[in-house]
Amino acid sequence: NAGVMQNPRHLVRRRGQEARLRCSPMKGHSHVYWYRQLPEEGLKFMVYLQKENIIDESGMPKERFSAEFPKEGPSILRIQQVVRGDSAAYFCASSPGAPNSPLHFGNGTRLTVT
Amino acid sequence: SQQGEEDPQALSIQEGENATMNCSYKTSINNLQWYRQNSGRGLVHLILIRSNEREKHSGRLRVTLDTSKKSSSLLITASRAADTASYFCATGDWTGANSKLTFGKGITLSVRP
Repeated sequence: NAGVMQNPRHLVRRRGQEARLRCSPMKGHSHVYWYRQLPEEGLKFMVYLQKENIIDESGMPKERFSAEFPKEGPSILRIQQVVRGDSAAYFCASSPGAPNSPLHFGNGTRLTVT
Repeated sequence: SQQGEEDPQALSIQEGENATMNCSYKTSINNLQWYRQNSGRGLVHLILIRSNEREKHSGRLRVTLDTSKKSSSLLITASRAADTASYFCATGDWTGANSKLTFGKGITLSVRP
């Protein structure tokens, strides 16, 4: 009964390095969402993907951030040249995509940039 | 700007009491959902109410939706210490193929044993 799996749970990067966050959606789910959460804040939408397609990336910073959801394998959120302001918890969620279906969240990746 | 705004920001109650949390939103919605987040974990879906529904129940949870006032409330009856968590409302805006949810900042609920 695997839910949404995210790894790593914790990731420490120095400024200027790259961070790669992985997300495997629930079995049967073809829609993946990435959200970012800062302390004491709600979740900020970043990007919505279906297999091999980016549907909505309106919440993604224009520079350094990219996301993919290939035909095979997990969805990847990639942050290049990380800065301290990128430190946050990044959550992935999946859904089957049917109208009004709730999101199923992973336990997140906590990124710390030193 | 945030679509959903929860109220109060923090709530502390005694075990056995009822907890009422409110959410207001700005634009028209397709549905409104409530989620719970325990410390260090991901969000867990609690209940969804469609825009054409006014009230919904699930166990000890009762959700109301007033689209004329653009507001919703979540009532947890007979609270337990295990209900201690952050609670978020999220609004769904289905526009074509886009189905993203917009979350509020959340309410921190503490239930004292």
